Amino acid sequence: GQQLNQSPQSMFIQEGEDVSMNCTSSSIFNTWLWYKQDPGEGPVLLIALYKAGELTSNGRLTAQFGITRKDSFLNISASIPSDVGIYFCAGLAYRGGSEKLVFGKGMKLTVNP
Amino acid sequence: DAGVIQSPRHEVTEMGQEVTLRCKPISGHNSLFWYRQTMMRGLELLIYFNNNVPIDDSGMPEDRFSAKMPNASFSTLKIQPSEPRDSAVYFCASSSRVVEQFFGPGTRLTVL
Repeated sequence: GQQLNQSPQSMFIQEGEDVSMNCTSSSIFNTWLWYKQDPGEGPVLLIALYKAGELTSNGRLTAQFGITRKDSFLNISASIPSDVGIYFCAGLAYRGGSEKLVFGKGMKLTVNP
Repeated sequence: DAGVIQSPRHEVTEMGQEVTLRCKPISGHNSLFWYRQTMMRGLELLIYFNNNVPIDDSGMPEDRFSAKMPNASFSTLKIQPSEPRDSAVYFCASSSRVVEQFFGPGTRLTVL
């Protein structure tokens, strides 16, 4: 089926460092999204990517839609303590006659001050 | 602007009891989604409504789970009877299109 593999599963970094995370699939997706989930809250959309090869920035966040449409990455530059949380990638899939988001398992980020 | 509202935020119940989770989507959004989040399986889509009509319920685990959307501003997810393996965080999300979904704060369900 259409599954997303996120790596790494967790990261521990120092404040000020950059961090990169990846999401891959054996299937093609036409849209990729990145969400962040804070403890005790629901995921919040960070960036949406709609075209293969697209590179999009949102403040210190940069995400790219892989040219093969099977992967995406998210970079966070100059990390700060509030970047702590779980980051999910999601791909828009057509399955069972309808469109739906398929989520990766998430990457837990810890930022040490 | 009020986001997606879910209630209760926490629910503890005993096995066999009925559980009802509630969701109020963002006004103007015509799609509503129920998700379940566990450590083992991550975020799973349970059911998806568009214009109050269930479009895809293939993620609903079994007949013990049911969801309704009687109007554009309210939806319920019911589990009857509940089992310990139903313990999870249940999220409701809404959107004006499938892609950019806005999630509620979730309901943490514990079934003893």
